[in-house]
Amino acid sequence: KAGVTQTPRYLIKTRGQQVTLSCSPISGHRSVSWYQQTPGQGLQFLFEYFSETQRNKGNFPGRFSGRQFSNSRSEMNVSTLELGDSALYLCASSLGLADYSYEQYFGPGTRLTVT
Amino acid sequence: AQSVTQLDSQVPVFEEAPVELRCNYSSSVSVYLFWYVQYPNQGLQLLLKYLSGSTLVKGINGFEAEFNKSQTSFHLRKPSVHISDTAEYFCAVSWDQTGANNLFFGTGTRLTVIP
Repeated sequence: KAGVTQTPRYLIKTRGQQVTLSCSPISGHRSVSWYQQTPGQGLQFLFEYFSETQRNKGNFPGRFSGRQFSNSRSEMNVSTLELGDSALYLCASSLGLADYSYEQYFGPGTRLTVT
Repeated sequence: AQSVTQLDSQVPVFEEAPVELRCNYSSSVSVYLFWYVQYPNQGLQLLLKYLSGSTLVKGINGFEAEFNKSQTSFHLRKPSVHISDTAEYFCAVSWDQTGANNLFFGTGTRLTVIP
């Protein structure tokens, strides 16, 4: 069974630009969560999507958004990039509501550098 | 406010020695507790979890953790470490028991195993 895949793995953008990151969950998983990892703030929850609906949202500005498609693939978008958005963005998938094992499987992440 | 504290940012330990990585969380209400490991340039891998039941939880790679409700702690232990255990370890807590996935992470403990 293939794991969680994230594309691209590395990305360099300029301040003010926007970026879209993609996550393909494990086959059969319906929940996708996004996390931001930085040296200063650590791992922070961005949002979770389940069955194409945002179920939970962390404390991030509206520049951070996401969506989920009918095949459970998810994208997150960051508009008007700031230097502080430089981070490793991790995606995690799980079975979702039907599964109370709370086991999230993480992808390798997308390393975003904003210059 | 909800918080997760990992008291040690770095823990050096000699090979085959025991190790304990400490984790405390802020609230004593019902929680789900997790330990994840992150190897360089990789995503997070679940080591073990506590949802309910026995307070001593066994995980992969010989790790175990004990849930202590009165101390609001969930310390991770291994009786004998290997070089391959060198990695970053994250304690995570979920206060959401609806099935949603939104984890609060500690700041991480870098375990270095010395030959």
